[in-house]
Amino acid sequence: GAVVSQHPSRVICKSGTSVKIECRSLDFQATTMFWYRQFPKQSLMLMATSNEGSKATYEQGVEKDKFLINHASLTLSTLTVTSAHPEDSSFYICSARASVGEVGQYFGPGTRLTVT
Amino acid sequence: QKEVEQNSGPLSVPEGAIASLNCTYSDRVSQSFFWYRQYSGKSPELIMSIYSNGDKEDGRFTAQLNKASQYVSLLIRDSQPSDSATYLCAVNPYSGGYQKVTFGTGTKLQVIP
Repeated sequence: GAVVSQHPSRVICKSGTSVKIECRSLDFQATTMFWYRQFPKQSLMLMATSNEGSKATYEQGVEKDKFLINHASLTLSTLTVTSAHPEDSSFYICSARASVGEVGQYFGPGTRLTVT
Repeated sequence: QKEVEQNSGPLSVPEGAIASLNCTYSDRVSQSFFWYRQYSGKSPELIMSIYSNGDKEDGRFTAQLNKASQYVSLLIRDSQPSDSATYLCAVNPYSGGYQKVTFGTGTKLQVIP
């Protein structure tokens, strides 16, 4: 149980375009989903937290107008990187928390974004 | 002081040996503790969670928690080359409800055949 999927697994886009990444909880309802970014050889950096049906809470230094997060249902959250630039190239990982009483997070397989 | 501290390693152990990974945290009210394994280029995988002082065993893995010393560790018995990965320690301030988990920077483990 507790499977989280992400799509796409890898995407290459041109500078200035937008990219949407989907995160789905396959066998449970995720009350809370998290979006992380990880640069090579660095730790996970939490970008934002989203609860179903409400606005995402962004971490300090993360531009909410650039990284649009939508958590429209208990099984789907999306991250849209708008007007992507080469410095946005990174490994984007979502995770989900199964319920209010569950504090462990289950991670999706990640999306490797390359902006050329 | 970082909220969650881990030695970055690499920690090298021979195959079959016990690997000991350590983590300290700064927030005394922390209640939930997790160990994740992350292979290179992959996302983290939850391998252990622990909430109470003492030891918790799951197969070859044992998590140890000492809240008084603000210390949590992960022991891997009979280490295998497939255990070579980065191990992330994560801490949550509460035992339930929505709270942000804080991750350490991870310890890279190398198991030498």
